[in-house]
Amino acid sequence: KAGVTQTPRYLIKTRGQQVTLSCSPISGHRSVSWYQQTPGQGLQFLFEYFSETQRNKGNFPGRFSGRQFSNSRSEMNVSTLELGDSALYLCASSLGGTGPYNEQFFGPGTRLTVL
Amino acid sequence: DAKTTQPNSMESNEEEPVHLPCNHSTISGTDYIHWYRQLPSQGPEYVIHGLTSNVNNRMASLAIAEDRKSSTLILHRATLRDAAVYYCILLNNNDMRFGAGTRLTVKP
Repeated sequence: KAGVTQTPRYLIKTRGQQVTLSCSPISGHRSVSWYQQTPGQGLQFLFEYFSETQRNKGNFPGRFSGRQFSNSRSEMNVSTLELGDSALYLCASSLGGTGPYNEQFFGPGTRLTVL
Repeated sequence: DAKTTQPNSMESNEEEPVHLPCNHSTISGTDYIHWYRQLPSQGPEYVIHGLTSNVNNRMASLAIAEDRKSSTLILHRATLRDAAVYYCILLNNNDMRFGAGTRLTVKP
């Protein structure tokens, strides 16, 4: 079974631009979560989508948004990029049951650099 | 949010057991204890999880204190490939909040 894939793997943008990152979950997984990882703040939860609906949300500004398509693929968008948005963005998929026992499978991440 | 406390770093010798502690004194009755690890240049990967009883799988064992205020991840024989950052997470929905984790160094 193919793992979680994220595209692109690396991205360089300038301040003020917007960016869209893509995540393809493992086949059959209906939940997709997004995380931001920086050296200073560590791994921080952005949001989770399940069956095209945002089910959980972390403490990030509205510039960070996402969506999920009917095939469970998900995209994350960041508008008006700031230098502090430079980070590794990780996507994770799971079967998506509502219990806390769902193993999450992470992709390799997209490394975003904002200049 | 329920929080966990882990040592910043630990060292182990190859082929020896490793005990990675985690304190979670504010754990609620419905919180599951999950462990993930992140190898260099990779996304995190699931290691093990439990609720009240000790758990074993092919990767590790999880020992949970009777009062559930702490837990210990046990790697029975550390290998160089186990060098990673290990995260202890409390989970009761699909919203995972990672702490700083423990950076495990394995010496040959």
